[in-house]
Amino acid sequence: DGGITQSPKYLFRKEGQNVTLSCEQNLNHDAMYWYRQDPGQGLRLIYYSQIVNDFQKGDIAEGYSVSREKKESFPLTVTSAQKNPTAFYLCASSIYMAPDRRNSPLHFGNGTRLTVT
Amino acid sequence: KQEVTQIPAALSVPEGENLVLNCSFTDSAIYNLQWFRQDPGKGLTSLLLIQSSQREQTSGRLNASLDKSSGRSTLYIAASQPGDSATYLCAVSGYGGATNKLIFGTGTLLAVQP
Repeated sequence: DGGITQSPKYLFRKEGQNVTLSCEQNLNHDAMYWYRQDPGQGLRLIYYSQIVNDFQKGDIAEGYSVSREKKESFPLTVTSAQKNPTAFYLCASSIYMAPDRRNSPLHFGNGTRLTVT
Repeated sequence: KQEVTQIPAALSVPEGENLVLNCSFTDSAIYNLQWFRQDPGKGLTSLLLIQSSQREQTSGRLNASLDKSSGRSTLYIAASQPGDSATYLCAVSGYGGATNKLIFGTGTLLAVQP
């Protein structure tokens, strides 16, 4: 079955450590996204990538980094510079290439819950 | 700056009732509006996508409408079932020149009582 796989489901880290969240998709989608979800707040965009070897900052990119070396993979690193890293992280993908890009629904993974103490 | 609001934040209804969830947005310059469902501890599942040129979309017991001029969308769920219990989120796209960047509302938590 085609889909998006995020791993691990739960992740625990000590403050000051960098941690990398995995996101893999086999939907052949061009665009991939990382969102953060906090209680009582809507999803907020961290980074997105519309094509391999290219990515753009979202609304809350500070303290995060990404890479897009392969179409299928879009890992997110939460660095020690992120002040409030504890959250639920969601990866998504969509078709990007025209003419579908404006009306392509997002497909989401099941998320990674990161707890930093 | 685009802002998306969903009211109510939580809703409880008895099984079999028809219900409406509301979504409002401040900037009518959108490409589309999407409704998602989120089960506890899970990712989001896309339910319906309404393009800016459309007025409504239907899928099974779900019907979503869009009124761009007033900045409103509704999600109508017919004959609700306990399995419909989840958080429902709406999101709009088309801001900042990146057509696939979405702005999300905070969601409506729906509980359907058997």
